[in-house]
Amino acid sequence: DAGVIQSPRHEVTEMGQEVTLRCKPISGHNSLFWYRQTMMRGLELLIYFNNNVPIDDSGMPEDRFSAKMPNASFSTLKIQPSEPRDSAVYFCASTRGTLIQYFGAGTRLSVL
Amino acid sequence: GNSVTQMEGPVTLSEEAFLTINCTYTATGYPSLFWYVQYPGEGLQLLLKATKADDKGSNKGFEATYRKETTSFHLEKGSVQVSDSAVYFCFVGSGGSNYKLTFGKGTLLTVNP
Repeated sequence: DAGVIQSPRHEVTEMGQEVTLRCKPISGHNSLFWYRQTMMRGLELLIYFNNNVPIDDSGMPEDRFSAKMPNASFSTLKIQPSEPRDSAVYFCASTRGTLIQYFGAGTRLSVL
Repeated sequence: GNSVTQMEGPVTLSEEAFLTINCTYTATGYPSLFWYVQYPGEGLQLLLKATKADDKGSNKGFEATYRKETTSFHLEKGSVQVSDSAVYFCFVGSGGSNYKLTFGKGTLLTVNP
């Protein structure tokens, strides 16, 4: 089985641009999580979905961030407009009814 | 909410040395406890888990015991290898449809030959 697939693996953009990160969870998994990893703050949970419905978005840093899950096999995390402090590695993870999360390889975002 | 306090790194050891990475937590109810490992350039992957008090999780020579009385879940390995060099995360989780999930900050382990 393919694992969690994230794209792109690397993204370099300029301040003010819109950035869209994509995630395909493992087939059959019904929960999806978005995390951000930085040296200063470690791993932060941004938002998670159950059965495509956002359940807890209290970790989303501000209104510039938004996430969607239009169907069970696809989710996006959008930053508009992007800022240099958004530079981080963004991970997507999925699970099916358990606390064991399966992580993608991450997207390394650099905002110049 | 839950919180996790994890030993700060970096930790540098010689091959075959004994490893301990401390992790303590605060949580309501009966959380499950996990250790995840992140190798360079990769996502996190589950190393071991324990779901109730006194459970011992083990995998690849690593062990950790769920100690409810001390709210701890320390990671140990008797003899580390160069290939164990990675970042290790302690994780506390609870909930079914309403998850409460908290990762520690991570501990970088470097094992030298």
